[in-house]
Amino acid sequence: KQEVTQIPAALSVPEGENLVLNCSFTDSAIYNLQWFRQDPGKGLTSLLLIQSSQREQTSGRLNASLDKSSGRSTLYIAASQPGDSATYLCAVRGIQGAQKLVFGQGTRLTINP
Amino acid sequence: NAGVTQTPKFQVLKTGQSMTLQCAQDMNHEYMSWYRQDPGMGLRLIHYSVGAGITDQGEVPNGYNVSRSTTEDFPLRLLSAAPSQTSVYFCASTPSRTDTQYFGPGTRLTVL
Repeated sequence: KQEVTQIPAALSVPEGENLVLNCSFTDSAIYNLQWFRQDPGKGLTSLLLIQSSQREQTSGRLNASLDKSSGRSTLYIAASQPGDSATYLCAVRGIQGAQKLVFGQGTRLTINP
Repeated sequence: NAGVTQTPKFQVLKTGQSMTLQCAQDMNHEYMSWYRQDPGMGLRLIHYSVGAGITDQGEVPNGYNVSRSTTEDFPLRLLSAAPSQTSVYFCASTPSRTDTQYFGPGTRLTVL
């Protein structure tokens, strides 16, 4: 059974810092890995999608990497801003069975002005 | 495009009542799913559909029914609400297994 873990559960940093969020998964048989952002009381917004054959994806100040063999992904946020404060979730889509996404518990990020 | 829409945004039910959570998407996506999000449990798959007329169970299907008569709509029915079904419910859609998953804004359900 696929399990996804995100460390740390919460992170607070001053504005302007570069930071890394971590995601690990137990089964490397995946189609892809997706990073989401969730603001309090809101739905999930897709940030980056990395296919299993890819090593990284970039969008603006965000860069996500994938090491499928070791079951790890990182989300790098450059020059953090208070508007980046949110919960960040990673999710993997397995090859076996249903087309479900298996989610981590998320990292709650606070950027202090 | 409106994307994925869900109604209602909030709902309070009494134990034993039934209701339907509505989900619609205008992106012509074949795959649609329902998730619930609970503190400490993360998001868990309830039911999913890979196309009109095709549905299947996810991780936590008990107490819920779904149907998919059209590509656009994927309603979730609570047959007899229980306090354990108090949660935030998200509908999602994607064109295929290798594509981005798009989520609706959620329905916050409280069962008393």
